[in-house]
Amino acid sequence: QQQVKQSPQSLIVQKGGISIINCAYENTAFDYFPWYQQFPGKGPALLIAIRPDVSEKKEGRFTISFNKSAKQFSLHIMDSQPGDSATYFCAARNKGPGGGNKLTFGTGTQLKVEL
Amino acid sequence: DAGITQSPRHKVTETGTPVTLRCHQTENHRYMYWYRQDPGHGLRLIHYSYGVKDTDKGEVSDGYSVSRSKTEDFLLTLESATSSQTSVYFCAISSGADTQYFGPGTRLTVL
Repeated sequence: QQQVKQSPQSLIVQKGGISIINCAYENTAFDYFPWYQQFPGKGPALLIAIRPDVSEKKEGRFTISFNKSAKQFSLHIMDSQPGDSATYFCAARNKGPGGGNKLTFGTGTQLKVEL
Repeated sequence: DAGITQSPRHKVTETGTPVTLRCHQTENHRYMYWYRQDPGHGLRLIHYSYGVKDTDKGEVSDGYSVSRSKTEDFLLTLESATSSQTSVYFCAISSGADTQYFGPGTRLTVL
């Protein structure tokens, strides 16, 4: 059972355009929502993250919008560049025994930015 | 890759054989995690460790065991590998802050 639903599965955007990836969750115990970026053959790397007491967070060209009542959050990539072509994963965290971060990931969005 | 190495990086094995994957960190982080990545499923947590000899199950722990006898090493064992365990396995570490840092991955093929 997928607790974090991500869409779309793939996305093609023109250079300079806006890329938007959406995620929805069900578990209200989640308390931290990171986005990871993964290039082929590499491990995922943290891109940006948000806590549910904030509705928006911006870091450079990347913005997370968070709607707690709707249990949805999204990643916006402004001025998309070919170097942004990668797979993006949203995730949500539960705290586990000992204080560890148990992340539940979405299924991923493969982004391609065309010239 | 934040001082994380995984070995082996690639492995092909046969059904029914035992397999052990190793994650080694040089960051002295308290928490270590094992995930598997499969198309259409994203990354799924197998097990994690919150200290030496302290582990907890993730969402897909069946068929896997882990051990952590030293802070720097976290081992994932498939006691009797099955074809459904063909996947890319990622180790991650964190200090207790929010960020998890992922290793380069191990591609495992079970024939």
